[in-house]
Parts: sequence; C-alpha cells; structure tokens
Amino acid sequence: DAGVIQSPRHEVTEMGQEVTLRCKPISGHDYLFWYRQTMMRGLELLIYFNNNVPIDDSGMPEDRFSAKMPNASFSTLKIQPSEPRDSAVYFCASSPLTSGSPYNEQFFGPGTRLTVL
Amino acid sequence: DAKTTQPNSMESNEEEPVHLPCNHSTISGTDYIHWYRQLPSQGPEYVIHGLTSNVNNRMASLAIAEDRKSSTLILHRATLRDAAVYYCILRDPLKNQGGKLIFGQGTELSVKP
Repeated sequence: DAGVIQSPRHEVTEMGQEVTLRCKPISGHDYLFWYRQTMMRGLELLIYFNNNVPIDDSGMPEDRFSAKMPNASFSTLKIQPSEPRDSAVYFCASSPLTSGSPYNEQFFGPGTRLTVL
Repeated sequence: DAKTTQPNSMESNEEEPVHLPCNHSTISGTDYIHWYRQLPSQGPEYVIHGLTSNVNNRMASLAIAEDRKSSTLILHRATLRDAAVYYCILRDPLKNQGGKLIFGQGTELSVKP
C-alpha cells in the first residue's frame, strides 16, 4: 500500500483565494483525520470522519474551513477565502481503529505545506 | 483525555540509550499511553502504546510507573535517524472512541554522532 496520499505537497496562494487540499486514505481504513501544524500552536486536530461521516469538527477554526469525504477513498479540506494566518502544514491521517478499541495507530500522510501570501 | 508534560528538548549521543520521560499525574484508570514521533519534514508516526505493563516492540520500549502517573519511552540504541519530536499522548478508548489524538508540544530529541 502506498500509505496516505496528500496533494498538493506544496501550495502557495494569495489571500482571498480558495484552496483545496486532498487526501486519499489507506484502503480499508474507516477513520480519516485532518490536522494542522504551526510553530505557534503545534499539531491540532481539525476534524475527523468515520465511514465518511464527520464525527467531530470542533477543531475547525471558522466557517472559512470545510471538509468533505464523498467516499471511502477521498477527502478534501477547503479554505475559502484563505488568509495569511492559514499558512501551516496540513496533515491527513487514517486509521483502521475499531470503535472503543485501545489500539490507535494512525497513519499520517506527508502533509501539504500551505503558504498564503 | 488527561494532560501530559514532557521536557521541551533532550540530547543524546549516537548508539547510547535514550530515556524520554512523560508525566501524566491526572491519568485515569482507562487511559492508554501512546507515543508518536515526528521526523523532520514528515508526518507523525506511531511508536508504541501501553496501559499498565511495560511494552516492547521493534522500535522502542515503554516503561510505565506502578502508579501510572509517569512513563518513559526508551530507545535502546539511538541512531541519527531517531532525531525527532516525540509525543506522549493519553487516550481513553471508552470516552474517545473515535481515536482522535491530542498532541502536546512533545520532546525534541537531538542525536549527536
């Protein structure tokens, strides 16, 4: 398996533009997570899905951010409009976790480095 | 999930053992202790997890104090490739069934040749 795939790896855009980040989880994994990492705030969970359904989006910073998972093999994180403070590395992770199981290995993608000018 | 406290940074020499401490004084009886690490310019990766007993795997060992208020990740022979940020994370699978991870600041480990 190729692991979690994210695209693009790098994105540079101007303030006000729409940005779409993409993630393909590992086949067979039921959970998908979106994280954001900045120097100031570290790694933050934004939202996660179980079987394509959003379970917890309490980490989504504001209405400019939205995430979808139309099927088991694809998810997007969209920022519209983007702002300079959205500059960060965005990670997608997937997990075969069974609900209630203590085993919690999440497999992370390589991340998308977003720069908003 | 309860909070963890880790030193901001540690140094080690190559081929020597490394003990990375983690304090979790408010741990509950059903919290599992998980360790992840993040190599430079990569996403985090799972290292090990445990509940009460010490655990070993091919990457590391996890030593858990008898009162469970602290734990130590042990790298038996540090290599340059082990330079990373190490995160100690608690998760209660009964309360946090979705498996979301709450990352702290972690410990940045540097390894000197």
